[in-house]
Amino acid sequence: GENVEQHPSTLSVQEGDSAVIKCTYSDSASNYFPWYKQELGKRPQLIIDIRSNVGEKKDQRIAVTLNKTAKHFSLHITETQPEDSAVYFCAASTTSGTYKYIFGTGTRLKVLA
Amino acid sequence: DAGITQSPRHKVTETGTPVTLRCHQTENHRYMYWYRQDPGHGLRLIHYSYGVKDTDKGEVSDGYSVSRSKTEDFLLTLESATSSQTSVYFCAIGPGVYEQYFGPGTRLTVT
Repeated sequence: GENVEQHPSTLSVQEGDSAVIKCTYSDSASNYFPWYKQELGKRPQLIIDIRSNVGEKKDQRIAVTLNKTAKHFSLHITETQPEDSAVYFCAASTTSGTYKYIFGTGTRLKVLA
Repeated sequence: DAGITQSPRHKVTETGTPVTLRCHQTENHRYMYWYRQDPGHGLRLIHYSYGVKDTDKGEVSDGYSVSRSKTEDFLLTLESATSSQTSVYFCAIGPGVYEQYFGPGTRLTVT
């Protein structure tokens, strides 16, 4: 079946440094790639997304890049702050059956003060 | 947060009992989804709905059924709960096939 791999599973960075999380997907027809942030005990929150006709999208300190040829996309967080500490999930759309998402297994980001 | 609620928020039940979880939205969104979240597995789709009375299976649908008789409500039923169904269940809604917005979750424990 379709699959999304996410790396690393845990990531620790010093406050102010950058963090990068990478995902690869298997469905060449995937055309929508959202990223979610989930704080402990909370719901996943959509933080940024990208569609397949765009190579990069930025929103303040976060950005997402997409390489359709290689079938991978990445989340970049610059100038990290303690409140960025959370679990981040990537997802890719799939048309296997009806249009839906496949999620990666998550990255636990710790920003050390 | 989007106008989406889940009930109950916590439930403990015994193996073999039926359980129904409710997702209610006030956004009039067409698409609704049920996911389960387990350590090491991320979010896995159980069932989803693309309209009233229109539902389909996700990747982990065995042991679960759903119903959607009104736009605002999407029910998930465990016909006979098992310990492997202990999990956190999230409902999500979306105006179209792209964005999905999650509810607060239901923590279910099957003893």
